[in-house]
Amino acid sequence: AQRVTQPEKLLSVFKGAPVELKCNYSYSGSPELFWYVQYSRQRLQLLLRHISRESIKGFTADLNKGETSFHLKKPFAQEEDSAMYYCALSGDRDDKIIFGKGTRLHILP
Amino acid sequence: DTGVSQDPRHKITKRGQNVTFRCDPISEHNRLYWYRQTLGQGPEFLTYFQNEAQLEKSRLLSDRFSAERPKGSFSTLEIQRTEQGDSAMYLCASSRAGGLTQPQHFGDGTRLSIL
Repeated sequence: AQRVTQPEKLLSVFKGAPVELKCNYSYSGSPELFWYVQYSRQRLQLLLRHISRESIKGFTADLNKGETSFHLKKPFAQEEDSAMYYCALSGDRDDKIIFGKGTRLHILP
Repeated sequence: DTGVSQDPRHKITKRGQNVTFRCDPISEHNRLYWYRQTLGQGPEFLTYFQNEAQLEKSRLLSDRFSAERPKGSFSTLEIQRTEQGDSAMYLCASSRAGGLTQPQHFGDGTRLSIL
């Protein structure tokens, strides 16, 4: 079954400290992995996807097929990073997106 | 372009009533998706269209739910005989065709509350 697991509902990190939001997935094929973000009072938006191999707002995520993980990382947290983060996947023959339950990231001053 | 637009933003209705939501996608996007999000959960896929054709429906979409995209532009999602469990945020997203090399752009959603 297709599944995305985000083990942390809430993650509190001090400003300037490293951030790692965990994501594990289950999919029998070659999925496409994403991180979506929702800032306060804003709509859900794409942060990054694994095929782009890019860094957005200082965030990166590496797809580890052996561990079926796609953790989101940032070396130095900023207060504006406080938001809800959703890990998501899509299958190789699907267009729908399967979302995790999300992790709320709270950056402490 | 103002992005994906959804109307209404909030809908409060009594159990048993019918409700209809509207989604206007980004104008050049021919794919349109509906998701439902309940408290503490991520969005869950309901259905999607390519132009006017409905290509996939989730098992979450009971026979009380129907979605249309008659001219391949805006879409409507109707829920008949609403139940308490239908209370949720209903999200619409759109993208260009070409699968997921094109990201999905989300609207603000319609929050449905069933009394």
